Amino acid sequence: QVQLVESGGGVVQPGRSLRLSCEASGFTFSGYGMHWVRQAPGKGLEWVAFISDDGSYKYSVDSMKGRLAISRDNSRNTLYMQLNSLRTEDTAVYYCARDRATHFDCWGQGTLVTVSS
Amino acid sequence: QSALTQPPSASGSPGQSVTISCTGTSSDVGGYNYVSWYQQHPGKAPKLMIYDVSERPSGVPDRFSGSKSGNTASLTVSGLQAEDEADYYCSSYAGSNNYVFGTGTKVTVL
Repeated sequence: QVQLVESGGGVVQPGRSLRLSCEASGFTFSGYGMHWVRQAPGKGLEWVAFISDDGSYKYSVDSMKGRLAISRDNSRNTLYMQLNSLRTEDTAVYYCARDRATHFDCWGQGTLVTVSS
Repeated sequence: QSALTQPPSASGSPGQSVTISCTGTSSDVGGYNYVSWYQQHPGKAPKLMIYDVSERPSGVPDRFSGSKSGNTASLTVSGLQAEDEADYYCSSYAGSNNYVFGTGTKVTVL
C-alpha cells in the first residue's frame, strides 16, 4: 500500500538549517508531484511547497520563499526539503503528501521540527 | 493568502448530522471546484475525506458528503459515529500554484 515516511526533524537553533526527507513506497513515485504541508503545535494546516513529478516545477508559500529548497530523487523514491534560516515560527510537524492536482490524497505521519535556542 | 474560515467547533449526538462550513473568496473556494476535506485524529496524519467539492475517495463512508455554494463549501457528516470525532480541515486550490487550508473545526460526538 502507499506509504510515506518522513524523517530529519529535530531541535535546531534559530538561524540554522535542516533537511527533511520523505521516503515513498507502494506506488510509482516518479509519476506523482509531491507537497510539503506543515502544522504548528495546536494550529491548523499550512501548505508549504510543491514539486512536480520530474522535479522541473517547484512552488512554495510566499512566507518561506528564499528560505526553503524542495527537491527529489526519483531513483531513491525520496522527497526532500531543505529549510534554511529557521525561525521559532517554523516550529511545526512537517508532512509530505502526494499530489492529485486538486488535492492531497496520501500523507505521511509527519516529522517534528522544533526551532529553539 | 488568508486561511479559509471554519467554525472552531461543531457537535452532534450519535446518529445525528453535523455540517461544517468553509468560507473563502472568489480567488479560492468560489473560483474553483477544487475544495477538499481532511479528517485528523489527535496525533495522526490528515486523511482525505472529500475532493473536488463532493467526490468521495474509495473507502470513505457515504455518510460523508460535500457541497459548495458561491464562496462557501460545506462538509456534512450524517449518522454521526464515535469515530467521527476529530478535527476537520477544508482546503482549496487558490490559483497560481497555491493551496490554502481552513482554520479547522473540532467535531465532538456527544
